[in-house]
Amino acid sequence: QKEVEQDPGPLSVPEGAIVSLNCTYSNSAFQYFMWYRQYSRKGPELLMYTYSSGNKEDGRFTAQVDKSSKYISLFIRDSQPSDSATYLCAMSSNTGGFKTIFGAGTRLFVKA
Amino acid sequence: EAGVTQFPSHSVIEKGQTVTLRCDPISGHDNLYWYRRVMGKEIKFLLHFVKESKQDESGMPNNRFLAERTGGTYSTLKVQPAELEDSGVYFCASSQTRDFQNTGELFFGEGSRLTVL
Repeated sequence: QKEVEQDPGPLSVPEGAIVSLNCTYSNSAFQYFMWYRQYSRKGPELLMYTYSSGNKEDGRFTAQVDKSSKYISLFIRDSQPSDSATYLCAMSSNTGGFKTIFGAGTRLFVKA
Repeated sequence: EAGVTQFPSHSVIEKGQTVTLRCDPISGHDNLYWYRRVMGKEIKFLLHFVKESKQDESGMPNNRFLAERTGGTYSTLKVQPAELEDSGVYFCASSQTRDFQNTGELFFGEGSRLTVL
């Protein structure tokens, strides 16, 4: 079993739609939960960060962490064509030197 | 401020040859990570340096891979001899521990794409 499971998609939505992206994980030691966005031929860039459980909102983006279910989500409201990218969930703990483990990434296409 | 830079951006070599990838982290970042993405798979951890010391090299596939970080600055990842299954994109990332605890952020380079024929 992989430490982090993420549906690779692709996911295609019309402009303006609400997008929901999810990951599950198995390691209960994870405390740091991140979402990265990666455009083609570029490196991943941090989009959202949550420590432990709870919600965090930043503009059109909302990240949720449910540690009891080992489930994290990213919601994108009013999606735009410029949101088309690969979204990677990532997790880390302070044991083992903050090694960050990534999901497979979900490819998102937002059609104008 | 310069970001993480990686060289070369793309390398095409034949099976059995040697390739060396280089990563220059953000100045002052003690943590340096190597990751690899093979086609269709997740970005997989290879190893982690803290300054010049290897903190964790549990993800290194086998002894054909050698990573170094002399003087705690730039790092190199050498593959010798390269095999077909080594093809993929090799990413380098850096962070400062204190900042990571507050932001969770790894700063990635654009990757070095390796094609082994």
